[in-house]
Amino acid sequence: DGGITQSPKYLFRKEGQNVTLSCEQNLNHDAMYWYRQDPGQGLRLIYYSQIVNDFQKGDIAEGYSVSREKKESFPLTVTSAQKNPTAFYLCASSRGTGGHTEAFFGQGTRLTVV
Amino acid sequence: GDSVTQMEGPVTLSEEAFLTINCTYTATGYPSLFWYVQYPGEGLQLLLKATKADDKGSNKGFEATYRKETTSFHLEKGSVQVSDSAVYFCALSYTGANSKLTFGKGITLSVRP
Repeated sequence: DGGITQSPKYLFRKEGQNVTLSCEQNLNHDAMYWYRQDPGQGLRLIYYSQIVNDFQKGDIAEGYSVSREKKESFPLTVTSAQKNPTAFYLCASSRGTGGHTEAFFGQGTRLTVV
Repeated sequence: GDSVTQMEGPVTLSEEAFLTINCTYTATGYPSLFWYVQYPGEGLQLLLKATKADDKGSNKGFEATYRKETTSFHLEKGSVQVSDSAVYFCALSYTGANSKLTFGKGITLSVRP
């Protein structure tokens, strides 16, 4: 079955550590996105990529980094520079630059700083 | 910049009640509009969409009409069920280089038996 897979589902990080969240899709989608979800804040865009080897900052990119070396994969690294990393992280993909196309979401990764 | 505003929540209804969730948007162009739903502990799923003014999106008994004159995309359902309990997000996006989705803050709906 085609879909988008995030791992792990739960992640614990010590302060000062970098962690990487995985996102893989087998939908042959060109565009991929990372969102952060906090209670009462909705979804905020961290980074997005519309093609391999290219990505753009979203609204809250500070303290995060991404790579897009393969079409299927768009990992997100939460660095120690991110002041408040505890949140629910959602990865999504879509066919590309068609604004009417549906975005497919993964099940999310809940990151907790301990 | 573009933005999406949803009514404040949470909303609690009895089963079979009528549902309206308000959504208005501010946009510099002519976006497509979406409603996404998030069930507990899961990612988001597309509920319905409309790509141009006066279009009506519908799915699973939910409907929303793209109203350009009032910049609105209100979600309605005639008779809600307990299984509709979830978080609902309104969103917009464009065709082309700026295809990222912009979301509202979401609203939690609880339906009691």
